[in-house]
Amino acid sequence: QVELVESGGGLVNPGGSLRLSCAASGFPFSGYYMSWIRQAPGKGLEYISYIGSNGIPTNYAESVKGRFTISRDNAKNSLYLHLSSLKVDDTAVYYCVRDRGNVAGQFFDLWGQGTLVIVS
Amino acid sequence: QSALTQPPSASGSLGQSVTISCTGTSSDIGAYNYVSWYQQHPGKAPKLIIYDVTQRPPGVPDRFFGSKSGNTASLTVSGLQADDEAEYYCSSYAGLSSLDIFGGGTKLTVL
Repeated sequence: QVELVESGGGLVNPGGSLRLSCAASGFPFSGYYMSWIRQAPGKGLEYISYIGSNGIPTNYAESVKGRFTISRDNAKNSLYLHLSSLKVDDTAVYYCVRDRGNVAGQFFDLWGQGTLVIVS
Repeated sequence: QSALTQPPSASGSLGQSVTISCTGTSSDIGAYNYVSWYQQHPGKAPKLIIYDVTQRPPGVPDRFFGSKSGNTASLTVSGLQADDEAEYYCSSYAGLSSLDIFGGGTKLTVL
């Protein structure tokens, strides 16, 4: 079954850290760019980071640059997002998504169910 | 970059058609044919319904139609069904050094 399953969300204090994980299955994970997209409660979608198929390149939204780090372990079919210096505004559901197309972020064809991070 | 502009709401009757607009700039929608649309039901993850302006993924009915003119993309949903009631988001590629931007979402109500 082709799917993405996120984990690691939870309640954290402002200034704290958290690591989100995403387990991929059913497709050749190492062949795809992967991304994280978040959605604050009752708000729209925000594309926050992507990573190339072999770990390079990476890119971040200005809102998280210097605080979040994306990484992957192709041997474990896993994507990660390390969140640090967390702010109340980082409260959101974080989605792990598969990137498709010829350029990073061309479109996103597979989404996980999301993991909720609450900074309070 | 600024978010793409979508109307906050749209509505149509069962069986009718509705069009949702998504306005960007010459640096995103106007520059690339990489507009995508996502459907999100409450409490669920978004689902890709249109990519590369006009393309439908397997399994998405041809009632969903995407188009673009200049800096504005549009999603038309024809033959509205109750299950089409959802939030719809547009997205556009914005260049090699940028991240995709999303619209603010349009809540589609089926009357």
